[in-house]
Amino acid sequence: AQSVTQLDSQVPVFEEAPVELRCNYSSSVSVYLFWYVQYPNQGLQLLLKYLSGSTLVKGINGFEAEFNKSQTSFHLRKPSVHISDTAEYFCAVSGGGNKLTFGTGTQLKVEL
Amino acid sequence: ETGVTQTPRHLVMGMTNKKSLKCEQHLGHNAMYWYKQSAKKPLELMFVYSLEERVENNSVPSRFSPECPNSSHLFLHLHTLQPEDSALYLCASSQDGSGNYNEQFFGPGTRLTVL
Repeated sequence: AQSVTQLDSQVPVFEEAPVELRCNYSSSVSVYLFWYVQYPNQGLQLLLKYLSGSTLVKGINGFEAEFNKSQTSFHLRKPSVHISDTAEYFCAVSGGGNKLTFGTGTQLKVEL
Repeated sequence: ETGVTQTPRHLVMGMTNKKSLKCEQHLGHNAMYWYKQSAKKPLELMFVYSLEERVENNSVPSRFSPECPNSSHLFLHLHTLQPEDSALYLCASSQDGSGNYNEQFFGPGTRLTVL
C-alpha cells in the first residue's frame, strides 16, 4: 500500500519569490510519482511525473521536482512564482496498475 | 471535443431526486475512474473501470451506481443522496495495461449540492 503526506495545507508567497511544496510518500514497492495542479472550478492537470531515470524532473509552467529515494520525498519547486500559479497542488503516488494515491493538497497563494 | 468532458458542471438536487453524471473521454483510453473531492480531504477513489468492467469499488454506498457502456463513456447514477454527498465529482481516464504507470487525465468535474 502507498500513502502520501503533504505537510503544508497552505503556502503563501510573494510574486517572483521561490517556492517549495513538500511531499513525502511511503510505499513497499517501486513508485511512480506525480504532481497535479487544480485551478479554481477546474479538474486536475498533470504538472510533472517521475517514472525512472534522472531524479530531477522538469514540468510545465517552470515547475520542477526532485525524487529523493532515501528521504522518500518528491518536493515541488519553482524559482520565481507568478500570480497565475495560485492554485491547489496535489502530490500522488502509484505502484503501477490503475490506482493513484493522492495527498490532501497544498493551497499555493501568490501575493503581490 | 478533446480530453475528458463532464456534464453537467453544476447540479443541485434534493435528497429524493434521481440524477446522473456523465463523463466522456476523447483520448482513446481504456480505463475510467470516478473520484469524490470534498473540502480538506484527499481525493477519494470511488470506482474504476478497465475495458468496461468494474475492477474497483471502494466501499461506496449503494446510492451511487456507476455505469460504463463503452470505453469512452462513464456515468454515475445518483439517488436518495445525503447532504454529506455534496462535493466535486471528478472523472478521469488512463491507458490501462500491465506495466503502465497510470497517468490519469481529469475532467473539469461536476459540483454537486444536495439539499
